[in-house]
Amino acid sequence: KAGVTQTPRYLIKTRGQQVTLSCSPISGHRSVSWYQQTPGQGLQFLFEYFSETQRNKGNFPGRFSGRQFSNSRSEMNVSTLELGDSALYLCASSWTSVGNEQFFGPGTRLTVL
Amino acid sequence: GENVEQHPSTLSVQEGDSAVIKCTYSDSASNYFPWYKQELGKRPQLIIDIRSNVGEKKDQRIAVTLNKTAKHFSLHITETQPEDSAVYFCADRSGNTGKLIFGQGTTLQVKP
Repeated sequence: KAGVTQTPRYLIKTRGQQVTLSCSPISGHRSVSWYQQTPGQGLQFLFEYFSETQRNKGNFPGRFSGRQFSNSRSEMNVSTLELGDSALYLCASSWTSVGNEQFFGPGTRLTVL
Repeated sequence: GENVEQHPSTLSVQEGDSAVIKCTYSDSASNYFPWYKQELGKRPQLIIDIRSNVGEKKDQRIAVTLNKTAKHFSLHITETQPEDSAVYFCADRSGNTGKLIFGQGTTLQVKP
């Protein structure tokens, strides 16, 4: 089975712009979670989607949003980018959101200039 | 609140020695505790996990122990090899969610 894939792998944006990142889960997985990884803050939970519904949201401003499609693919959007949004954005998929292992994608490296 | 503390932040051992990484969690409802290994420039990979109804789990050279009373869980790597060098993250999950709370990570260096 193919693993979790994320596109694009690298992005460079300027402050004030917006960005959309995509995540395709492992076939059959219905839950997708998003995390932000930075050297200072480590791995922080952004949100989780299951069956097109957001089930959980982390402590991030409303500029961070996401959605999930009927085929379980997920996107996250960051509007009005700030320098501090520079990070590796990781998504992880699992069969369901309860009691199952999460498998991570390779991440999207976002640089905000 | 939700918090996972991980120690040490860096760990250097000689090849063949054992390595132990410890995590403490705060949420009494936490019921799942995975460990991830992340090599430089790569994605985190699940190496072992334990659920709250189990006290210990082993998989070849790695083991995880859980002390629910003390809210501690630990990763044990025996007979370390240079390829074990990486950043290791512990995490916990509370209730019926997919939300993982991660520790700050431990950089393990295994010297040949």
